[in-house]
Amino acid sequence: GNSVTQMEGPVTLSEEAFLTINCTYTATGYPSLFWYVQYPGEGLQLLLKATKADDKGSNKGFEATYRKETTSFHLEKGSVQVSDSAVYFCALSDKDTGNQFYFGTGTSLTVIP
Amino acid sequence: NAGVMQNPRHLVRRRGQEARLRCSPMKGHSHVYWYRQLPEEGLKFMVYLQKENIIDESGMPKERFSAEFPKEGPSILRIQQVVRGDSAAYFCASSLTSGRTDTQYFGPGTRLTVL
Repeated sequence: GNSVTQMEGPVTLSEEAFLTINCTYTATGYPSLFWYVQYPGEGLQLLLKATKADDKGSNKGFEATYRKETTSFHLEKGSVQVSDSAVYFCALSDKDTGNQFYFGTGTSLTVIP
Repeated sequence: NAGVMQNPRHLVRRRGQEARLRCSPMKGHSHVYWYRQLPEEGLKFMVYLQKENIIDESGMPKERFSAEFPKEGPSILRIQQVVRGDSAAYFCASSLTSGRTDTQYFGPGTRLTVL
């Protein structure tokens, strides 16, 4: 079946530090991969996505590369800001098994000045 | 272009009451999805609807939960005879089509508290 595994949180970083949030997946077909961000009290916002192997999604300084050989989609940012504090969710969509998204459990990030 | 709208944002019910959650998809979107987020967990799929049709309800509890997406008006997620375990955040998402690469856009959620 389909599933997404994210690194456990919470993660606390100082401003301007490098960020990596690991995400690996299991899929029966050829999934699309997504990162969503959830700010306190709000819904999920799409951060970036990649729809095939070796694609790199990027947005607002964040990036992630679809690695089929390691079934991974790790999120990275070179220099985090306080405003990046949020919960980050990795997700996959696999049309072969339906229209639902499969989400990881989320990784909470706190950036301190 | 307004995003996905959900109301109410917060809903408090006593055990045994009914909860009705509403979702208006983004303009032009005819595909609606409901997810539930329990505390400290990720989102779990509940149901996928198109106008007037339930396409996939594999994530819906068999009893007390129902969903609809009428020809006119918002999608409704209905929970009858709520119990404390129903306390969660319920998110609605919509998409333009249902392809593998399509993005689902999420609303702000309804936070249900059952006393």
